[in-house]
Amino acid sequence: NAGVTQTPKFRVLKTGQSMTLLCAQDMNHEYMYWYRQDPGMGLRLIHYSVGEGTTAKGEVPDGYNVSRLKKQNFLLGLESAAPSQTSVYFCASSPQLWSGTGRSTNEKLFFGSGTQLSVL
Amino acid sequence: AQKVTQAQTEISVVEKEDVTLDCVYETRDTTYYLFWYKQPPSGELVFLIRRNSFDEQNEISGRYSWNFQKSTSSFNFTITASQVVDSAVYFCALSEGYGQNFVFGPGTRLSVLP
Repeated sequence: NAGVTQTPKFRVLKTGQSMTLLCAQDMNHEYMYWYRQDPGMGLRLIHYSVGEGTTAKGEVPDGYNVSRLKKQNFLLGLESAAPSQTSVYFCASSPQLWSGTGRSTNEKLFFGSGTQLSVL
Repeated sequence: AQKVTQAQTEISVVEKEDVTLDCVYETRDTTYYLFWYKQPPSGELVFLIRRNSFDEQNEISGRYSWNFQKSTSSFNFTITASQVVDSAVYFCALSEGYGQNFVFGPGTRLSVLP
C-alpha cells in the first residue's frame, strides 16, 4: 500500500528558481492538502483541494500555486523561490465519508513522508 | 475562527514517569473533530486518535489515554509509564464541521530520558 507519496524528498534551490512538488495518493481520497512545517509553528496549511479540478487557499498561500487536474495528484508550485520558503512540506489526503444523517464527517489526514526544501 | 494552543513547548521526563500533554482549542462550531498526531525523530506524522465533538467519552489505548472536556475546550493526552520510544513531537489538531480545514497546534516536544 503506497498511500501518499511525495516527490522529491529533498531539494535545494537558489533564490528565484522555480519547482514543483508532486503528491500522489492511491486511496481515491477526495480531499488533498499541502502543509508546511517550520520550527515552533506546527503545520500551516498552504492550499487544499476538495475534489478534482478545485483548489482553495489556506493560511499561508502567498508564493505558492497548486493544481489538481487528476483526483490522485496534487501539485504544489513555487514560481520564484525565496529563502522564507525553506521548510519541510507535507502533503496529506483524507476521504469524504458520510454519517448516518447524511453529513460529511471529517476524517483523519493521511500524510506523505515530507519534502525538505532549502532555498539559498 | 479555529485555533489550537499547546502551551507546553518542550517536556522532559524520565522513563516510566507519566506525562500529560495539554491541548486547548477554540471554535464557534458545535460540530468539530479533534486529533492527535505523533512525529518521531524520523519525521513522519503518525495518527493517534480522532474524536468528534459529540463524543466526550475518555479513551484509553494501551499506555495512551485522552481526556476530552468540552467545558474547558481541552483535549489532553496522557502517556502512562513513558518509554524512550515515546520521544517525539506531538501535535493536536482541530477540524470544524463541513470545512475539512484542519488547524494544528504548534506541537509539544517530549523527551523521555532513560
